[in-house]
Amino acid sequence: DSGVTQTPKHLITATGQRVTLRCSPRSGDLSVYWYQQSLDQGLQFLIQYYNGEERAKGNILERFSAQQFPDLHSELNLSSLELGDSALYFCASSVVQGSGGFDTQYFGPGTRLTVL
Amino acid sequence: DQQVKQNSPSLSVQEGRISILNCDYTNSMFDYFLWYKKYPAEGPTFLISISSIKDKNEDGRFTVFLNKSAKHLSLHIVPSQPRDSAVYFCAASADAGNMLTFGGGTRLMVKP
Repeated sequence: DSGVTQTPKHLITATGQRVTLRCSPRSGDLSVYWYQQSLDQGLQFLIQYYNGEERAKGNILERFSAQQFPDLHSELNLSSLELGDSALYFCASSVVQGSGGFDTQYFGPGTRLTVL
Repeated sequence: DQQVKQNSPSLSVQEGRISILNCDYTNSMFDYFLWYKKYPAEGPTFLISISSIKDKNEDGRFTVFLNKSAKHLSLHIVPSQPRDSAVYFCAASADAGNMLTFGGGTRLMVKP
């Protein structure tokens, strides 16, 4: 158990719909990362938040957005869903020590999204 | 453009023998490298990491080797055990606390 929790575990929805995935980081971790794992793309970085602020952005679609709340949990919002958005979505967290340290990212169990 | 590549999609090894998983990268800005293990229906589990200032890091049965000039790293598991059967991902970062770029994974099967 990494200490990172994600809900829900599974989500089935229809095209055009909007869903919200939730992540609670490990106790003490300030940074949250979202990754997408699809069959043909592997694990790809979407976005990172650090202490409530967006810190880095990867290949995240405009239909997707995220935020990190004062209690440090994060939500990933996916809208106007398409069949191709079906994937595993992982959240990871790390301390983010800054220079001089290496911040290992610990992953949650993931949310499997199926768009029909 | 795949910046991190694992060219072997699968590897089969006998229990007790050495497993060697390989990873190549192209981005010379990468300075931290990690290996994760993933079981089906679970998230990736951190195994071991190495900074670019080192060429070897060991943790129990797991050793990671880094060859910066060749932009190559490898994970050695000795001795391999059936419970090591999983998909192994190498990942790289250009900055501590920054995004990870993952390879495509290698499925390791350790036969009893």
